[in-house]
Amino acid sequence: EVQLLESGGALVQPGGSLRLSCAGSGFNFGSNGMTWVRQAPGKGLEWVSAITGSGHRTYYGDSVKGRFTISRDNSKNTLFLQMNSLRAEDTAVYYCATRSTFAGHWGQGTLVTVSS
Amino acid sequence: LVMTQSPATLSVSPGERATLSCRASQSVSSDLAWYQQKPGQAPRLLIYDTSTRATGIPARFSGSGSGTEFTLTISSLQSEDFAVFYCQQYNHWPRTFGQGTKVEFK
Repeated sequence: EVQLLESGGALVQPGGSLRLSCAGSGFNFGSNGMTWVRQAPGKGLEWVSAITGSGHRTYYGDSVKGRFTISRDNSKNTLFLQMNSLRAEDTAVYYCATRSTFAGHWGQGTLVTVSS
Repeated sequence: LVMTQSPATLSVSPGERATLSCRASQSVSSDLAWYQQKPGQAPRLLIYDTSTRATGIPARFSGSGSGTEFTLTISSLQSEDFAVFYCQQYNHWPRTFGQGTKVEFK
C-alpha cells in the first residue's frame, strides 16, 4: 500500500523559512516523480512544484518560483520542500503526491501558517 | 495555461446524472486528470489520461474530451459522491488545476 506522510508544517512569521518533508513507502520511491500541491483555507488546489525520480529536474509554479526549492533523498525515500521568504498567502495545507504528471497518491497534508 | 471548470456548483439528486465541464485555455491533448475531494480529506485521483479510471474507482465515473474541452460524468450519483471535483492538466509546465466544481445535494 502506498503511504505518504508529510511533516514540518508550523506557524511561521512573514519572511521566515520552513522545510517540509514527505516520507514515502509501499512503492519504488526513486522511480517516481513527486509533486507538492497546496490548498489555502477554503480555497481550491494549487500546484506548487514537482521533481523527477532522479532529482535532476525540478519545476515550480509561478507564485513560488525563486522562493521554494524541491529536493529528494532517494536513500531515505523522502521528499522535501524548502520554503523561504514566506508570505501570508503561502498559508495552506501542503500535500505531497506521487508522480510529476497527474497526482496518483496523496498524503494527508501538513498545515503551514504564515502570520505575525 | 488556465483551466476553467463549470458550473461552480451543481445541485443534483441521488440517482441522477451529473456532468461537469473543464476547459483549457490551450490544448492539453489528452493529459487531463480529475480528482474528488471530500471535506477534511485529501483529494483522490479519479481519472487520468482523460478517460482512464484510477484503481478502485467505480464505473459510474467516466471522462471524455480532448484538446481544450473535457467532461466528467457521474452516471447515477450515490450519496458518497457529493464532493468537490477538480480537473488538472499535465501537458504543460507548470501543471494547473481548475477552480473546482462542488456537487451538492439537491
